[in-house]
Amino acid sequence: GESVGLHLPTLSVQEGDNSIINCAYSNSASDYFIWYKQESGKGPQFIIDIRSNMDKRQGQRVTVLLNKTVKHLSLQIAATQPGDSAVYFCAENIGSYIPTFGRGTSLIVHP
Amino acid sequence: DAGVIQSPRHEVTEMGQEVTLRCKPISGHDYLFWYRQTMMRGLELLIYFNNNVPIDDSGMPEDRFSAKMPNASFSTLKIQPSEPRDSAVYFCASSPGSLAKNIQYFGAGTRLSVL
Repeated sequence: GESVGLHLPTLSVQEGDNSIINCAYSNSASDYFIWYKQESGKGPQFIIDIRSNMDKRQGQRVTVLLNKTVKHLSLQIAATQPGDSAVYFCAENIGSYIPTFGRGTSLIVHP
Repeated sequence: DAGVIQSPRHEVTEMGQEVTLRCKPISGHDYLFWYRQTMMRGLELLIYFNNNVPIDDSGMPEDRFSAKMPNASFSTLKIQPSEPRDSAVYFCASSPGSLAKNIQYFGAGTRLSVL
């Protein structure tokens, strides 16, 4: 079946740099996407979402970009901080079905 | 609100024993989800409830797993008998509103080790 996948399992950045976490999805019917952050020992926590009728959405230090042409989603974190170190998941919704989670990308921020 | 509350945080048991994991969702949320997370398989949806009614349990691995939601503020996931391959982190999550915009709020998880 179709599923959400991630290009990079681990991303290492220096503190202060911008981070880009990518997510590929294969189901063109997906109409809603969510990014979650999971810190060590905790459950996933909602960061930001985007509907398929948008191509960009900004939050506090985070931006999600959606490219429906190539079925690609990215999460950009500006001025990455050590507290951003975590595993990041993208999840896709198709209508009223349960979101499907990707495998996750580990972000490591070096001071 | 304190968020989704799971107990226990850690559980160590021996193979063959019964394990019961507990969850208190956020008040007012209509949906409750149980997930299992392992390094090999990632985050897997086991079962979800809507207004206390099980809707989809196709993710429950086998008959040893069962889940109940007797009321809007409590759910359990039971494994009997437990096996070493059940070792994982089990998360409960709840969400309000419709599935069309389904933001889930996760508990801190229960780390289960079956020896």
